[in-house]
Amino acid sequence: KNEVEQSPQNLTAQEGEFITINCSYSVGISALHWLQQHPGGGIVSLFMLSSGKKKHGRLIATINIQEKHSSLHITASHPRDSAVYICAVEEGGGADGLTFGKGTHLIIQP
Amino acid sequence: ETGVTQTPRHLVMGMTNKKSLKCEQHLGHNAMYWYKQSAKKPLELMFVYNFKEQTENNSVPSRFSPECPNSSHLFLHLHTLQPEDSALYLCASSHSLWGDTEAFFGQGTRLTVV
Repeated sequence: KNEVEQSPQNLTAQEGEFITINCSYSVGISALHWLQQHPGGGIVSLFMLSSGKKKHGRLIATINIQEKHSSLHITASHPRDSAVYICAVEEGGGADGLTFGKGTHLIIQP
Repeated sequence: ETGVTQTPRHLVMGMTNKKSLKCEQHLGHNAMYWYKQSAKKPLELMFVYNFKEQTENNSVPSRFSPECPNSSHLFLHLHTLQPEDSALYLCASSHSLWGDTEAFFGQGTRLTVV
């Protein structure tokens, strides 16, 4: 069973700061997902990646398959970025769904 | 709006009640999932359906009973639940089980068992 670890668990930063959230996993995967969960509970998929780097607006996700590690970066952070960010991994076959990390609770203060 | 709709958004039920959670997607996805999110714990996979067939039952107690009448709808029938079953129940869908397909999540149903 894949062990998915995220760090930090909690992060408070000032508006405008560069944010990095890390995710490591123990077993080889076919894809890694970064998800955003707002206080209401709904989850939005931010990225799905299996290699390299992806960028959407102020968000950047990278993955290093050899090191079993991924990072999510937020540039020019804003209070509306405050949410729980969850890393999830998908192993080959997909029948087991996703294995999730515990999430990183991010608060961006004005 | 992710295209996956869950109802109800909130549910309070007694331990002797029977209720159902509903999930609906019209994204043309073939795989649907039920997840449970308890306080301070990672999401846990409960059930997986692929082309309306259940492919995974992740050691879920029988008081939770899934139903997938077609590839657009997924239900979770609840009966004689326990207070520790109180959690956020999330539905997700993806185009297929295999390969790197993006998952789309519903808003979740916040369940409280009293």
